[in-house]
Amino acid sequence: DAGVIQSPRHEVTEMGQEVTLRCKPISGHDYLFWYRQTMMRGLELLIYFNNNVPIDDSGMPEDRFSAKMPNASFSTLKIQPSEPRDSAVYFCASSPGHSYEQYFGPGTRLTVT
Amino acid sequence: SQQGEEDPQALSIQEGENATMNCSYKTSINNLQWYRQNSGRGLVHLILIRSNEREKHSGRLRVTLDTSKKSSSLLITASRAADTASYFCANYGQNFVFGPGTRLSVLP
Repeated sequence: DAGVIQSPRHEVTEMGQEVTLRCKPISGHDYLFWYRQTMMRGLELLIYFNNNVPIDDSGMPEDRFSAKMPNASFSTLKIQPSEPRDSAVYFCASSPGHSYEQYFGPGTRLTVT
Repeated sequence: SQQGEEDPQALSIQEGENATMNCSYKTSINNLQWYRQNSGRGLVHLILIRSNEREKHSGRLRVTLDTSKKSSSLLITASRAADTASYFCANYGQNFVFGPGTRLSVLP
């Protein structure tokens, strides 16, 4: 298996633009997680899905952020409109179960100018 | 706050020495996991210790868990330069809360 795949790896955009981050989890994994990592706040869980259903989105910072999982092999995290404070590395991870190890993707480094 | 705390924040040792990192939470610990992150990469799972376990080994890694103190420690024995990375603990019982990490530098 290729592992968790994220795209793009780098994204530079201007404030106010819409940004869409993509993730393909490992086949057969029922859980998918979106995290954000910054120097100031560390690694924060934004939202996670179980069997394509959002279970907890309490970490989503505000309404500008939305996440979807239309099927078992694809998820998106959208920021609209983007702001400079959204600059961070966004990780997607998948897991075969709730308390099992998570497999992280390489991350998307987002820069909003 | 559910946020975990790790100490030290940074640790620098010589190759061959042992490295110990600690992790503590203000809330109860359930299924604590340790991860490693090399610079610019995603996290890689190292070891899981369940709340009914006190100690676990994996190669050069040894993890202990003290649920009464809500803390865990990760020991890396006979460190190598390739162990240079950031190490994170994650408390799965509190909605996957990761600690701030310990930056380990192993000098050749």
